[in-house]
Amino acid sequence: EAQVTQNPRYLITVTGKKLTVTCSQNMNHEYMSWYRQDPGLGLRQIYYSMNVEVTDKGDVPEGYKVSRKEKRNFPLILESPSPNQTSLYFCATRGGAYEQYFGPGTRLTVT
Amino acid sequence: RKEVEQDPGPFNVPEGATVAFNCTYSNSASQSFFWYRQDCRKEPKLLMSVYSSGNEDGRFTAQLNRASQYISLLIRDSKLSDSATYLCVGYNTGGFKTIFGAGTRLFVKA
Repeated sequence: EAQVTQNPRYLITVTGKKLTVTCSQNMNHEYMSWYRQDPGLGLRQIYYSMNVEVTDKGDVPEGYKVSRKEKRNFPLILESPSPNQTSLYFCATRGGAYEQYFGPGTRLTVT
Repeated sequence: RKEVEQDPGPFNVPEGATVAFNCTYSNSASQSFFWYRQDCRKEPKLLMSVYSSGNEDGRFTAQLNRASQYISLLIRDSKLSDSATYLCVGYNTGGFKTIFGAGTRLFVKA
């Protein structure tokens, strides 16, 4: 089954404690992306990766890092999380016709 | 002006009604367009691609008007299960960045 997986699905952490949210896909897609969704602000792109060679910032990259060492994985790293990074996070891949497939989401709370 | 703008609604319609959503876009969002459906706290799921020639899938019809820079979604014979948030999505000119509308909330009532 074609899918995008994210882990963990739920995470409560404290300010400053480094964390990584993993994203993995089995669709052999080149393009992967991370989004955050906040009430009233909709979905906003954090980072995207055109392929393992190219990664670039989206609209809200501050406080986040990403890594694309292999095609199937695209982890999101928060080096020093802050409360304003409390949000619902989605990873996605993109097919050849520009259609996107989303993971189930990670609900992060930073206290 | 936002790159992709949607009426947030909510739209409250009875079962069986026809409902239409529009989405306008700026010049910076001019690549492929799509409609996604998102249920509460769930991931967005692809509903339809949007073409200038129109795209129909059962009760759903999507249209792109490049001259007026808007995208539409028409839902006919609304079902209770159509209740969700509908997102219009485009890309920037290079096709690298994804641009989401804020979403339109639809409630279909019996």
